[in-house]
Amino acid sequence: ETGVTQTPRHLVMGMTNKKSLKCEQHLGHNAMYWYKQSAKKPLELMFVYNFKEQTENNSVPSRFSPECPNSSHLFLHLHTLQPEDSALYLCASSLENTEAFFGQGTRLTVV
Amino acid sequence: AQSVTQLGSHVSVSEGALVLLRCNYSSSVPPYLFWYVQYPNQGLQLLLKYTSAATLVKGINGFEAEFKKSETSFHLTKPSAHMSDAAEYFCAVSDQGGANNLFFGTGTRLTVIP
Repeated sequence: ETGVTQTPRHLVMGMTNKKSLKCEQHLGHNAMYWYKQSAKKPLELMFVYNFKEQTENNSVPSRFSPECPNSSHLFLHLHTLQPEDSALYLCASSLENTEAFFGQGTRLTVV
Repeated sequence: AQSVTQLGSHVSVSEGALVLLRCNYSSSVPPYLFWYVQYPNQGLQLLLKYTSAATLVKGINGFEAEFKKSETSFHLTKPSAHMSDAAEYFCAVSDQGGANNLFFGTGTRLTVIP
């Protein structure tokens, strides 16, 4: 256990569905991240929040919409996804300029 | 800009043999370097990190890595492999010490043969 909890662990959704991924940490960290892990590709940083403010959006399609209501919770809202969006979505948190702690991920399958 | 190259997407070793996973980095500033491990259906767990202190870094589970600036390398080693070491290993580089600007390699899958 790293202190970062992601739910659900597995999700299957159709291309017309809307779903949300949830991440929470109670480590006192002030930064939270969403990463996408696809087979045979490096982890891709999607979004960064520092002190609840989004500070980075690495050209992620608008069908992915992050939300950070407080420094302990992070959501990734999904709508009209494509099959190529199937991947493991990892949440991480950190203090400023310290290493990241990762959750166990949500395995997303888009059908 | 930072980048990481992990040589060998798959490495197989016998139980009890030396583990060597290779990582070369590119960075325009003094780097912070990390090794993470990922077990099946799990997230990433930090094994060790280099933050410009000692060049030989010891991590969890008996792993260590040596920072060699002249070779731009940060290879991960363990003297004796255990079956439980079978996992995927990721090298990562950052210019700030934190996760804000963390670049990962493509990973090396370690298989341990009984």
